[in-house]
Amino acid sequence: QKEVEQNSGPLSVPEGAIASLNCTYSDRGSQSFFWYRQYSGKSPELIMSIYSNGDKEDGRFTAQLNKASQYVSLLIRDSQPSDSATYLCAVNDGNNRLAFGKGNQVVVIP
Amino acid sequence: NAGVTQTPKFQVLKTGQSMTLQCAQDMNHNSMYWYRQDPGMGLRLIYYSASEGTTDKGEVPNGYNVSRLNKREFSLRLESAAPSQTSVYFCASIPSRGIGYTFGSGTRLTVV
Repeated sequence: QKEVEQNSGPLSVPEGAIASLNCTYSDRGSQSFFWYRQYSGKSPELIMSIYSNGDKEDGRFTAQLNKASQYVSLLIRDSQPSDSATYLCAVNDGNNRLAFGKGNQVVVIP
Repeated sequence: NAGVTQTPKFQVLKTGQSMTLQCAQDMNHNSMYWYRQDPGMGLRLIYYSASEGTTDKGEVPNGYNVSRLNKREFSLRLESAAPSQTSVYFCASIPSRGIGYTFGSGTRLTVV
């Protein structure tokens, strides 16, 4: 059973601050990693994908991957109230099947 | 609009009833998936279809069956619904070498 862990509880951040989310995975052979955003009552929406070690930036979002340590992180800069959502980490098992973490709720306080 | 369409959006069943959740995508994607999402459990894979004509079990297949009717459609059937199948069900699809799933809007199923 390939596992994806997101252990942090709900994260409250002031508007304009940086939100930092972490995710670890068990399968050392995993090659592709994703962050999804899910608003309450809605379906998950892909916001970032990362395949190589290092950082990948897209607007206010930065994904960081460290395969040696088997973790993926997501930074949200200049957090906005519209960023309040649950963020899901997902790992591709190599056969286009994604294993998801349980998610981290982010609340941005105006 | 292109995307993944799920029907119905809401459903209440009595224990022992059967129903089929429908999913269709118009993006010419090869692979399709059914997940369930429960509070505190995250998204768990029920069944998937890597290509037209093939289906395989995922993490939690018991109590479900699937049919890949054609490249566009992938249905999930509950033969005898149980309260433990109360959940939100998501269908997703991906090209053969996609960068991430496209999800449908979900079906909220309650079994009483």
